[in-house]
Amino acid sequence: AQSVTQLDSQVPVFEEAPVELRCNYSSSVSVYLFWYVQYPNQGLQLLLKYLSGSTLVKGINGFEAEFNKSQTSFHLRKPSVHISDTAEYFCAVSAPIYNFNKFYFGSGTKLNVKP
Amino acid sequence: NAGVTQTPKFRILKIGQSMTLQCTQDMNHNYMYWYRQDPGMGLKLIYYSVGAGITDKGEVPNGYNVSRSTTEDFPLRLELAAPSQTSVYFCASSYPGNSQETQYFGPGTRLLVL
Repeated sequence: AQSVTQLDSQVPVFEEAPVELRCNYSSSVSVYLFWYVQYPNQGLQLLLKYLSGSTLVKGINGFEAEFNKSQTSFHLRKPSVHISDTAEYFCAVSAPIYNFNKFYFGSGTKLNVKP
Repeated sequence: NAGVTQTPKFRILKIGQSMTLQCTQDMNHNYMYWYRQDPGMGLKLIYYSVGAGITDKGEVPNGYNVSRSTTEDFPLRLELAAPSQTSVYFCASSYPGNSQETQYFGPGTRLLVL
């Protein structure tokens, strides 16, 4: 079975500072990796995903993530955050062994950007 | 495209009442999903559907029922509401449903059972 761990439930950061949101996963098979963002009172929307190829994936709003197979990690980074990045971020994995798109979500990290 | 829409946005139920959460997508996606989101717990899959007329249980199906009579609609029914069902419910869809595909989420329904 697959599982996803987001180690930090909350990350406070000042505006224009860099940020890293950590995600580790456990799986006995190869997986696809996703980061979703949830703004207050909204649904989840895709930030970026890793399917194959380059381990550095660039997403929307200046975010990027790096897949590290040996450390089973997929950490999300942004070099300079804005107030508008305040949201909850979810890491998710899916495995190609199912006959449908089964996602395993982490518990989320709330990013609080302060002025 | 409106994407995935959900109604209502918010509802308060008394214990034992029933209700249906509506979900509609206009992207012609075959696959649809219902999740619940509890604080600090991430999203848990309740039910999913791979096409009209086909549904199956996810991780936490107890206390819920679904139907899929059309490609567009995937309602979730709570028959006897319990406080443990207080949560935020999200509907999602994807096409064609393999594990590479992005899931598109609705805005959610906040349910409070008292």
